[in-house]
Formats: sequence, C-alpha cells, structure tokens
Amino acid sequence: NAGVTQTPKFQVLKTGQSMTLQCAQDMNHNSMYWYRQDPGMGLRLIYYSASEGTTDKGEVPNGYNVSRLNKREFSLRLESAAPSQTSVYFCASSELRGADQPQHFGDGTRLSIL
Amino acid sequence: LAKTTQPISMDSYEGQEVNITCSHNNIATNDYITWYQQFPSQGPRFIIQGYKTKVTNEVASLFIPADRKSSTLSLPRVSLSDTAVYYCLVGDSLTDSWGKLQFGSGTQVVVTP
Repeated sequence: NAGVTQTPKFQVLKTGQSMTLQCAQDMNHNSMYWYRQDPGMGLRLIYYSASEGTTDKGEVPNGYNVSRLNKREFSLRLESAAPSQTSVYFCASSELRGADQPQHFGDGTRLSIL
Repeated sequence: LAKTTQPISMDSYEGQEVNITCSHNNIATNDYITWYQQFPSQGPRFIIQGYKTKVTNEVASLFIPADRKSSTLSLPRVSLSDTAVYYCLVGDSLTDSWGKLQFGSGTQVVVTP
C-alpha cells in the first residue's frame, strides 16, 4: 500500500525555469490537494480538486497551475519559478470532499529555487 | 471555517500525559474537529477526529466539551517518538469554504528522557 506518492523528492531549479510536481494516490480517493509548507509555518493550501475533472484555488494559488489528470493523479506546475516558491510541497488525498474528511499525505517534494 | 488557536510549543518527559488544547470559539454546528501529527521531513498524519464528547483510539483521546468551543488532544504516556508538531483543524463538508483549509502553525511537542 503506497498511499500517496510524490515525485521527485528533491529538486533544485533556477529562477524562471518550469517544473511539474507529480502526485498519485492508490486509495481510490475522490479529492486531492496541494499544499506548501515554509519553515516554521503550517501548511497552506495551493489548489484542490474535489473530484476528477474539477479544480479550485486555495489560499495561495498565484504562480501555480494544476491538472487532475485522472482519479489517481494530480499534478502541480510552476511555469516560471521564483525564489519565493522555495518550499516543501505536499500532496494529499481524501475519500470524499470536505474539511471534515481525513486527509492522507505524501512525504513531500523539497524544492529550492536559486 | 472556524479559526483555531493552539499553544506554540509544549515540553514533556517520557511517560507523562500530554494535553494540547485548541480553541475554536466560532465553531459551526456541522463542523468536525480533526487532529494531525507531523514528524520532521514527513507529511502530516491523521490521528483522531470528533464531533462532541470523547473519542479514543489506539493513539490518542479527544475531549470536546458541550459548548464545543475548544477541544483537547490527550497523548497518554508519551515516548520520544511522540515528538512532533500537532495540528488542530475545524471544518465541515457542507460549506463552500471547505477547500480553504488552514493548518495554522500547530503545536510543537518535545518529549525528553
């Protein structure tokens, strides 16, 4: 049981480069999420997908785009990376939509932008 | 979504009970209270959820008073491996704001020998 798998685990980019972070879950969950976590801070929601075919903005969506490729996969794209996007990115999923639904998290992607 | 307030940090010794209180004064009727645990270099992990009174599982207990304006996560007989950040979240499935979850900064629990 892999749960939520994120790739890559680490990445260094130069300012202006683009990159896609991949996320896949094998729990047949309907909802998926992307968060970022900065040092000493909690998680902030970037985008979420309540179900396959839908995506919505979270608290901090600027500079990011997402794709819900199918029920299993939810990718996050940085079109033109900026140093302010240096962070740890977490993907999560839940069986159903809702703030009361337990979320299952991946182990994160550590992204540094120079 | 209801705003939550937790202590920034708590220290404990091995074998003691740790109680973390989360305040959520504007909790709504349909809101549930959910707690997560996060170890360094890992994603958060769901540990317990409740609506009212008391909930217990193999990891922790959650106490919720009748007015539901606060909740207390209780970790019995902590060990060094319980050192982590603990987050309290409050929300429901019914309102459109459910997607704007805010984990806040959580409570850093440090357990020492």
